[in-house]
Amino acid sequence: GQNIDQPTEMTATEGAIVQINCTYQTSGFNGLFWYQQHAGEAPTFLSYNVLDGLEEKGRFSSFLSRSKGYSYLLLKELQMKDSASYLCAVRDSGAGSYQLTFGKGTKLSVIP
Amino acid sequence: DTAVSQTPKYLVTQMGNDKSIKCEQNLGHDTMYWYKQDSKKFLKIMFSYNNKELIINETVPNRFSPKSPDKAHLNLHINSLELGDSAVYFCASSKTGGSYEQYFGPGTRLTVT
Repeated sequence: GQNIDQPTEMTATEGAIVQINCTYQTSGFNGLFWYQQHAGEAPTFLSYNVLDGLEEKGRFSSFLSRSKGYSYLLLKELQMKDSASYLCAVRDSGAGSYQLTFGKGTKLSVIP
Repeated sequence: DTAVSQTPKYLVTQMGNDKSIKCEQNLGHDTMYWYKQDSKKFLKIMFSYNNKELIINETVPNRFSPKSPDKAHLNLHINSLELGDSAVYFCASSKTGGSYEQYFGPGTRLTVT
């Protein structure tokens, strides 16, 4: 089975940097995803990590440590439009490799 | 040029009714999914089809029956709707290989009264 933990809510100031952590305990692992979901909208893909280290994509970066079962999403130069829920998801391995298990999401509020 | 589309966007119905939600993707993906997102925003997999074959069937009531007429479509039929079925249902698709990144449809907000 999969167990994924992330903070429920975070607040940060416009222009600042925020780090959203995700820890996981899984029976199999074949990659970790971060998705962004604005209120009332569909989740959209942000990043994918399968090897240890940092993946950078513009203002967003994602880090993975497989040995620690830990990932974080780093958002720089925060903008008001970054207010959304951020979902951490783990892809299973083997026969379940199609399956993503999502954490409960972190609701980020960006304030002026 | 919508990638993953769902109809209807909103569905309000009474307990005991039967309803269907349709999903189509034009990305050429071979795997499609149905997720349920409850009022606490927890996104949970319900079903997954790969090349029209069921590969994931999580513990959902058998009142829910998915049907995949072809690789581009995955419909969800729900019998005898209950209050607890009220949620947002998302369809998603991915291609086999690579990261298996999933693309989500806009969601169908189902309200059972």
